[in-house]
Amino acid sequence: NAGVTQTPKFQVLKTGQSMTLQCAQDMNHEYMSWYRQDPGMGLRLIHYSVGAGITDQGEVPNGYNVSRSTTEDFPLRLLSAAPSQTSVYFCASSSGRLNTEAFFGQGTRLTVV
Amino acid sequence: AQSVTQLDSQVPVFEEAPVELRCNYSSSVSVYLFWYVQYPNQGLQLLLKYLSGSTLVKGINGFEAEFNKSQTSFHLRKPSVHISDTAEYFCAVGGSGNNRKLIWGLGTSLAVNP
Repeated sequence: NAGVTQTPKFQVLKTGQSMTLQCAQDMNHEYMSWYRQDPGMGLRLIHYSVGAGITDQGEVPNGYNVSRSTTEDFPLRLLSAAPSQTSVYFCASSSGRLNTEAFFGQGTRLTVV
Repeated sequence: AQSVTQLDSQVPVFEEAPVELRCNYSSSVSVYLFWYVQYPNQGLQLLLKYLSGSTLVKGINGFEAEFNKSQTSFHLRKPSVHISDTAEYFCAVGGSGNNRKLIWGLGTSLAVNP
C-alpha cells in the first residue's frame, strides 16, 4: 500500500518556467489537498478537492492551478514560477470525514532561481 | 472562525526528561483535534487524535494528549523523551458541518539533546 506518492522529490526551476507536481493516492480517498510549508509559517493550504471534478481555492492559491480528473490523482501546476514559490510542497488525502486523519506524501522541495 | 495556537515555537529538552507541547484552539462548534509529527525531511504523520469520549488520548511512540474543553487546550505530553523524538510537531483542528478543512498551528520544534 503506497499511500500518497509525490513526484518529484526535488526540483530546481528558473523564474518563469512552468511545471507540474504530481500527487497520487491509492486509498480511494475523496478529499485531497496541497499545502506549502515555509519556515515559521506552518502549513498553508493552496488548493483542495472534495472529489473528482471538484476543486476549490485555499488560502494561498495565486500562481497555482489544480485539476482532479480522477479520484487518484491531484496534480499541482505552477504557471510561471517565481522565487516566492520556493518552498516545500505537500500533498495530503483523507476520506473526507472530519474525524479521520490526513495522510501526507513525502514532499517536494522546490527551488526557484 | 476556528484557529489554533501553538504556544511554543521551539522546545529544547534533555533526553529522558518529560516534555509538554502546548496547543490552544478556538472554535464555536464541536471539534476534532489532532497532533501530527514531522521528522526531518519527511512528510507529516498522525500521532494521535481526539474525537469524543475520554479526554486523555494515547498515541504512538509513548505520546499522549489531554483535551480540556473549558480551557480550549489540547496539550501533548511525553514522560521521557528520546533523541529520536526530535521533530516538528503540529496541532490541528477539524470542525463539524460542511467545513472539511483542517486548521493548523504553526508548529513546535522539539529538540532533544543528549
